[in-house]
Amino acid sequence: QSVLTQPPSASGTPGQRVTISCSGITSNIGSNPVNWYQRLPGTAPKLLIYNNDQRPSGVPDRFAGSKSGASASLAIGGLQSDDEADYYCSTWDDNLAGVLFGGGTKLTVL
Amino acid sequence: QVQLQQWGAGLLKPSETLSLTCAVDGGSLSAYYWTWIRLPPGKGLEWLGEITHSGSAKYSPSLKSRVTVTVDTSKNEFSLKVTSVTAADTAVYYCARVQRWSLPGRGSYYYMDVWGKGATVTVAS
Repeated sequence: QSVLTQPPSASGTPGQRVTISCSGITSNIGSNPVNWYQRLPGTAPKLLIYNNDQRPSGVPDRFAGSKSGASASLAIGGLQSDDEADYYCSTWDDNLAGVLFGGGTKLTVL
Repeated sequence: QVQLQQWGAGLLKPSETLSLTCAVDGGSLSAYYWTWIRLPPGKGLEWLGEITHSGSAKYSPSLKSRVTVTVDTSKNEFSLKVTSVTAADTAVYYCARVQRWSLPGRGSYYYMDVWGKGATVTVAS
């Protein structure tokens, strides 16, 4: 069982905006920046958002990250069929002295 | 453009040792941390451990007794060993480059910006 809690699934229609949540505690999200990874079917994870709200070069601004307290969110606007993937949040945990991931959210574009 | 090429045995029997290697192409091991992460079927990503170019390693507490990560700077490679494997170690294993630093009062920044393609490891008798 993952320490960072994500909904197992999310869905939306093309063009819609979808939000995926990630909940933690003080020692992880409450104290450290959050990152998001996208894993398209059959491929390796790809860095989507780092340091709470920064996008790597090449990631469209339809993807936006935010953090408040011990929770974080990933918002995807203008949903496209290519966005169907698994999304994982991740951060450092001070108590564990290691990296935590959420259980992943499977996004379906209806 | 840095790329990570990984390889290793894909089918193991229980109690055997898992061994994977990741080569860094188009860049140097120096100045970065390097990590191994796995994705068991039907589950989420799991961080296994990390290593620096100088060979300093840190492991996930849940696997610390069975995991070893090493680095070979002469070959620009780093490797993973997991001993006494069971079916629970069946997963896709990824190597990745880490961006990592800490700022007083701002926390620990830690993210993986370059990933290998993954290697499927199955443990079955």
